[in-house]
Amino acid sequence: QQKVQQSPESLSVPEGGMASLNCTSSDRNFQYFWWYRQHSGEGPKALMSIFSDGDKKEGRFTAHLNKASLHVSLHIRDSQPSDSALYFCAASEMTGANTGKLTFGHGTILRVHP
Amino acid sequence: GALVYQYPRRTICKSGTSMRMECQAVGFQATSVAWYRQSPQKTFELIALSTVNSAIKYEQNFTQEKFPISHPNLSFSSMTVLNAYLEDRGLYLCGATYSAETLYFGSGTRLTVL
Repeated sequence: QQKVQQSPESLSVPEGGMASLNCTSSDRNFQYFWWYRQHSGEGPKALMSIFSDGDKKEGRFTAHLNKASLHVSLHIRDSQPSDSALYFCAASEMTGANTGKLTFGHGTILRVHP
Repeated sequence: GALVYQYPRRTICKSGTSMRMECQAVGFQATSVAWYRQSPQKTFELIALSTVNSAIKYEQNFTQEKFPISHPNLSFSSMTVLNAYLEDRGLYLCGATYSAETLYFGSGTRLTVL
């Protein structure tokens, strides 16, 4: 069973709109979450980390974590065509010296159309 | 975010031959370096995690004999894929962390095996 599940598989939003991506873990040991964005031909770029319950906002990006349900979401407001990419949720049991041992979801393809 | 440089960006090798790839943390000292492989289907597999003052830890299905890693200092790591075959193809990603919070990836080395 996939330990980190993302939905939807793909998403299309108009330019200027809000994009909402979801991620759920089935492993209660996963307490630390990250969102990565990958453009075609590139490596994943770290967008945000979230380790505590509630919201974390960085510019147009807001992540929300609910540890009780192991659900994390990413919301992108005022979406731009340059936001079109593959978005990955990643989870880990630990940070510190063992940061690097991440479990990734299968990704959500976001397309922002003009 | 932190800059991680990988070389080469892409490489083609004949089945049964070997190839070496490099990873450089630019402007920071990486406390941990993780090597991942992203399949053509975009799934991630952790190959090994190298942490300061600790031995390199290989994940199940990956061995030092097949994927030897050198991590001589806090800014540089290299990995060789020995006797590459079709199942070894993919995007090899190096991730480095300095804050022990977020893993920053390079653009990857894409391996094609003929």
